[in-house]
Formats: sequence, structure tokens, C-alpha cells
Amino acid sequence: AQKVTQTQTSISVMEKTTVTMDCVYETQDSSYFLFWYKQTASGEIVFLIRQDSYKKENATVGHYSLNFQKPKSSIGLIITATQIEDSAVYFCAMREPSSNTDKVVFGTGTRLQVSP
Amino acid sequence: GGIITQTPKFLIGQEGQKLTLKCQQNFNHDTMYWYRQDSGKGLRLIYYSITENDLQKGDLSEGYDASREKKSSFSLTVTSAQKNEMAVFLCASSIRQRGNTLYFGEGSRLIVV
Repeated sequence: AQKVTQTQTSISVMEKTTVTMDCVYETQDSSYFLFWYKQTASGEIVFLIRQDSYKKENATVGHYSLNFQKPKSSIGLIITATQIEDSAVYFCAMREPSSNTDKVVFGTGTRLQVSP
Repeated sequence: GGIITQTPKFLIGQEGQKLTLKCQQNFNHDTMYWYRQDSGKGLRLIYYSITENDLQKGDLSEGYDASREKKSSFSLTVTSAQKNEMAVFLCASSIRQRGNTLYFGEGSRLIVV
């Protein structure tokens, strides 16, 4: 069964520093997709970045990047040069399209607080 | 672009009452999802549907029914509302292809009195 685990409930950092958020997952599939989403204070949830399991290179979008360690079933989110507006809750998620059910499961989230 | 509309934004009902949440999307997406988010917690999958008239149970389906009569809409019914299930319910949709992301609605808050 799919499972996604985020053990960090809350992280506080100073503005302009780099932060890493952890996520580990469990899957029986050989092909899967991993995502990070951001939930702002208003409750809006938006997609940030994706990693395809068959790709060795880590995905990067703007100041977001991923640390994909497939042997450890780990997909960390790295935010460089953090800004106040990065304060939010970050969710890791996994999708297993090969199972033909298109199920997407989420972790419990990590709250990031960025201070000036 | 497109939008996901959830109605109502706030759903107030009495304990034991049957309550229904509705979700509409104009992305023409195949797959739709209902998640429950308890205060300060993660998203738990209740039901999802990969096409019209299809229903798949998530990890939290007990106590809920769902309906996908049209491609564009997905309803969730709380069969007997309980005070301990006051939460925000989030609808999402996605193209049913490899790696596509989810788009979320703004959420509906369930209040049980």
C-alpha cells in the first residue's frame, strides 16, 4: 500500500537561508511520481515541484529543488534563499499510475516559518 | 486555465444528519478526488473517481458516500454527521496521465452542531 511520511511537524528559519524538508515513502510499484505542494495561510493548495521515479537527476524549479534518494525511498524538498512568503505548510505526495487506480496520497505536512 | 468550485463553502448540520458537498471542475479532467483535512493535519483521501460513474475508496471512506454522475462533477455525502468529523473537505482534479498534478478547490468546512 502507498504511504508517505513527513516526520518534521514544524521548522523555523531566518530569511535568506536554505531549508530542507524530509519525506519518505513506501510503494510496491517500480514507477511512480512524487510531488510537493504548498498550502498557504488562506488554505489554498498549489503544486510546487515533481520528481519522476525513473529520472536520476533531481528536479529544480526556481528556488525549489529536490533531493531524490531512491534507495532510501526519500524525497527531500530544498528551498534556497527563503523568503517571508515561503511561510506555509508543505505536503509531500505520491502517485502510482501503473496501478490503474490513479490514487494520490499525501503526507501529514511540515509547517515552515520564515522570520526576518 | 480552469477552476474548481466547491459548494457550499460552509456546511452546517446537526449530528446524525446526512450532508452533501459538491464539486465542479471545468478543466475537463478525468480524475477527481475528495480529501479531508482536520485542523492542523494532513490530507486524507476519502474517495476518488477516474471517470464518470466510477468510484474508488480511499483510506477514509467509511461514513461517506460519493457520486460522479458527470465528468465535471463529484459529490461527497456524509451519511451521518458526527461532531468529531468537523474538518475542511478538499476537492481536487487531474488529467489521468503519468505525472500530472492535482488542482485543488478552496475547500468546504463542515460544522456539526
